Amino acid sequence: GAGVSQSPSNKVTEKGKDVELRCDPISGHTALYWYRQSLGQGLEFLIYFQGNSAPDKSGLPSDRFSAERTGGSVSTLTIQRTQQEDSAVYLCASTLAWGDTQYFGPGTRLTVL
Amino acid sequence: GESVGLHLPTLSVQEGDNSIINCAYSNSASDYFIWYKQESGKGPQFIIDIRSNMDKRQGQRVTVLLNKTVKHLSLQIAATQPGDSAVYFCAENMGAGGTSYGKLTFGQGTILTVHP
Repeated sequence: GAGVSQSPSNKVTEKGKDVELRCDPISGHTALYWYRQSLGQGLEFLIYFQGNSAPDKSGLPSDRFSAERTGGSVSTLTIQRTQQEDSAVYLCASTLAWGDTQYFGPGTRLTVL
Repeated sequence: GESVGLHLPTLSVQEGDNSIINCAYSNSASDYFIWYKQESGKGPQFIIDIRSNMDKRQGQRVTVLLNKTVKHLSLQIAATQPGDSAVYFCAENMGAGGTSYGKLTFGQGTILTVHP
């Protein structure tokens, strides 16, 4: 596909479980961003990756959240010991270069019961 | 602190009318602004952007105006159609060289409803 893809589209989990969310950026895009969108709210920055540089993790809300990007392409956002307040839509975006227009995927809707 | 906010949380218009969605930003160091459209169940879709060295930029049926003096951004949609119904977000990006460069700060969004 030509756009950013994310999987799964929906994830329901029980409190305390770990979850992994996946993002496939647009081919050739060097920067990748993760955001969180709570119900009826704007997007909250979580983390971004740019090439081989160390990721900017300044938006991660707690140490239960982590992300990695393998081979400069696919990224996985991991949430450990999920809490109900983690319920949100997690959005991924990629850009051709750092600071360029960000193109978003459809998001993963996470529900923690 | 840094923030991007919207004056109107909801906007209802008739089909064919022009729509104007407003946004205020507080960070004078921001030099890049973007408008996104988000339909239900989808990710934000890029509409138009503008850099701080411009006051106006036009796209297809959309125009973005930037007033740096009062830190105000607006999105104008001409001849609004039912398909334009969505949540519209403005976002800002800090200037190049800043530690926040590349990270977008989003407003809370404006719900646009277009009535046929």
